[in-house]
Amino acid sequence: DAKTTQPNSMESNEEEPVHLPCNHSTISGTDYIHWYRQLPSQGPEYVIHGLTSNVNNRMASLAIAEDRKSSTLILHRATLRDAAVYYCILRDLDANSGNTPLVFGKGTRLSVIA
Amino acid sequence: EPEVTQTPSHQVTQMGQEVILRCVPISNHLYFYWYRQILGQKVEFLVSFYNNEISEKSEIFDDQFSVERPDGSNFTLKIRSTKLEDSAMYFCATSRDYYTGELFFGEGSRLTVL
Repeated sequence: DAKTTQPNSMESNEEEPVHLPCNHSTISGTDYIHWYRQLPSQGPEYVIHGLTSNVNNRMASLAIAEDRKSSTLILHRATLRDAAVYYCILRDLDANSGNTPLVFGKGTRLSVIA
Repeated sequence: EPEVTQTPSHQVTQMGQEVILRCVPISNHLYFYWYRQILGQKVEFLVSFYNNEISEKSEIFDDQFSVERPDGSNFTLKIRSTKLEDSAMYFCATSRDYYTGELFFGEGSRLTVL
């Protein structure tokens, strides 16, 4: 499995932007970069995913390095509700690879300070 | 918003007993997954299921585990003879297709084995 490296924890002030980094130096050409988060006492929740181009949705933005060896999840304005564990996951979506499961690492625990 | 529903939310059982955890997927979803999370640890992949058969499974998913979709709606995880170390939160996840990349997770079923 392609691996990702994330900081164990990060802290942010409420209403400020948060940049969550992820390194994936062994990423392959068919690996998509996925971000999920897990709020306390809840199941994981999809945030965003991308392949090469930067992506935006209502929850966050995903900035992908040109060489794809790293990416950054951007929360534009952190709220207390964004306090969660954020997981950066590589998943091969190539049809020839079969149904590759989503494999979670330890993620980054984000704390948001009021 | 459609959601994945899991029952029971919490089950307490004696070691050696059989347990069945149930999941109602989102109606047009075709891919189904079970994950587990032991307290304080990371989310672990157990099994993926498509077209009424297992497509991938992890080393955790040994002979005491089984999955099925008996009536075309519920997706179940059966643990034949529970052990203390099976105590965990079990999450069901589903996706519409493989290539959208988004898995929808349920709220989880907490299993406590005594």
